[in-house]
Amino acid sequence: GAGVSQTPSNKVTEKGKYVELRCDPISGHTALYWYRQSLGQGPEFLIYFQGTGAADDSGLPNDRFFAVRPEGSVSTLKIQRTERGDSAVYLCASSLTPRGWGTEAFFGQGTRLTVV
Amino acid sequence: AQRVTQPEKLLSVFKGAPVELKCNYSYSGSPELFWYVQYSRQRLQLLLRHISRESIKGFTADLNKGETSFHLKKPFAQEEDSAMYYCALSGTGVGNTGKLIFGQGTTLQVKP
Repeated sequence: GAGVSQTPSNKVTEKGKYVELRCDPISGHTALYWYRQSLGQGPEFLIYFQGTGAADDSGLPNDRFFAVRPEGSVSTLKIQRTERGDSAVYLCASSLTPRGWGTEAFFGQGTRLTVV
Repeated sequence: AQRVTQPEKLLSVFKGAPVELKCNYSYSGSPELFWYVQYSRQRLQLLLRHISRESIKGFTADLNKGETSFHLKKPFAQEEDSAMYYCALSGTGVGNTGKLIFGQGTTLQVKP
């Protein structure tokens, strides 16, 4: 694909359930980021992967949130015991490198998560 | 604290009028500054970055380190400029992860 792909585009789940959100970055991009965008706010950083490893997970709000990128390509954001406050648009972005030239971050269209 | 502030949630202008979207930042060090734009029903995309010092779609932005500002300007607004605009910063140097800190966004509405 030409761009960053996120699935599903919309997810409605019940409070307390477990959800997985998927991100397929641009081929060859080693840096992958997850952001969360609440209504009326700008995106907020959650976690950064360089290759397979989570190099910075300082933005994850609590231990209900976890993300993996086992083969250095596709990443999955996992949320356990969802709460209504988790409702937001979850954005994924990838870039060729994290620093210097080539750092333009390309964003996916987002997954809108609604916890009812 | 690292912070990006966009004081206006909504900026409404008439077509052909000048536009200035304000952005102020707080960062200990030398950040890289960006403007991202999101058109209706489209994904977030990079508009311009301060290190490129280029004009994109007629927009320019100058980094003012003294005032810690990175305002986005366009001399003559067009209706197709109507969108949500986000100012963002990233750290530089060794150890930088490239993560972006975003402002809250400003909706630009260009009226005919």
